Amino acid sequence: ETGVTQTPRHLVMGMTNKKSLKCEQHLGHNAMYWYKQSAKKPLELMFVYNFKEQTENNSVPSRFSPECPNSSHLFLHLHTLQPEDSALYLCASSQLGTSGQETQYFGPGTRLLVL
Amino acid sequence: GQQLNQSPQSMFIQEGEDVSMNCTSSSIFNTWLWYKQDPGEGPVLLIALYKAGELTSNGRLTAQFGITRKDSFLNISASIPSDVGIYFCAGSLGGSEKLVFGKGTKLTVNP
Repeated sequence: ETGVTQTPRHLVMGMTNKKSLKCEQHLGHNAMYWYKQSAKKPLELMFVYNFKEQTENNSVPSRFSPECPNSSHLFLHLHTLQPEDSALYLCASSQLGTSGQETQYFGPGTRLLVL
Repeated sequence: GQQLNQSPQSMFIQEGEDVSMNCTSSSIFNTWLWYKQDPGEGPVLLIALYKAGELTSNGRLTAQFGITRKDSFLNISASIPSDVGIYFCAGSLGGSEKLVFGKGTKLTVNP
C-alpha cells in the first residue's frame, strides 16, 4: 500500500534539535491530517489542512509547526521538543466533499523518540 | 466532545474462533469506519459504513452500522494468527467534521 507515504519511519532527536517529518499522498485527495498516537491513548488529531488551508489546530504547542505547500505534501516541523512528545506521528489524507462519505487513509507513521 | 466507547479493550482467542467487537457513541454519526493497526504501522482501513443499518463484508470481516446511528460492530470469522493487531473504530458526521476514534481492541490469536 503506497497511497500515503511518510519519512522518516524512525527518528531520534535531542531536545535542542530541529527536524521535519514529511508526508506525501498519491490518492488525489484534498485534505491532509497529522495525528499523534501515544501508548494507551486514542489517536489525537493535531492539524487539518483542507485545500492547503489549515482548518484545525487542536491546541497543539508551537514547538510543532505544520506546513502544507500543496495538496499532496504535508510537513511537520519539530523544534525544542520534550521527552513526552515521543510518540508515533501519523499522517492521513481524505477527499472532503458534499457526499459526507469521508474516509481517511493513513500512512505508516514516524516513530519519534525525544531524548 | 463526542466520545466513542470501544469494547472489549483486549481479547485472547484460539485460532479458528469467531470474534466480535463493538463501538458505541453518545451521539449519532453518519460514517463508521473500522481500521486495523499492526505494531509500528499506521492504521489500515478495513470497512467503511455510510448508511444506518448497512451490513458490509470484507472477506472474513463483517461490520454493521447500527440502526440508531450510535453504534457499530465488527465480526471476524474463523480467526487466523495474522488477525493479531489493534482494531479501531472511528465515527464522523461527515463533510468537514473530524473523525472520532475509539481506544482500540487488542486482539491476540493463539495458534
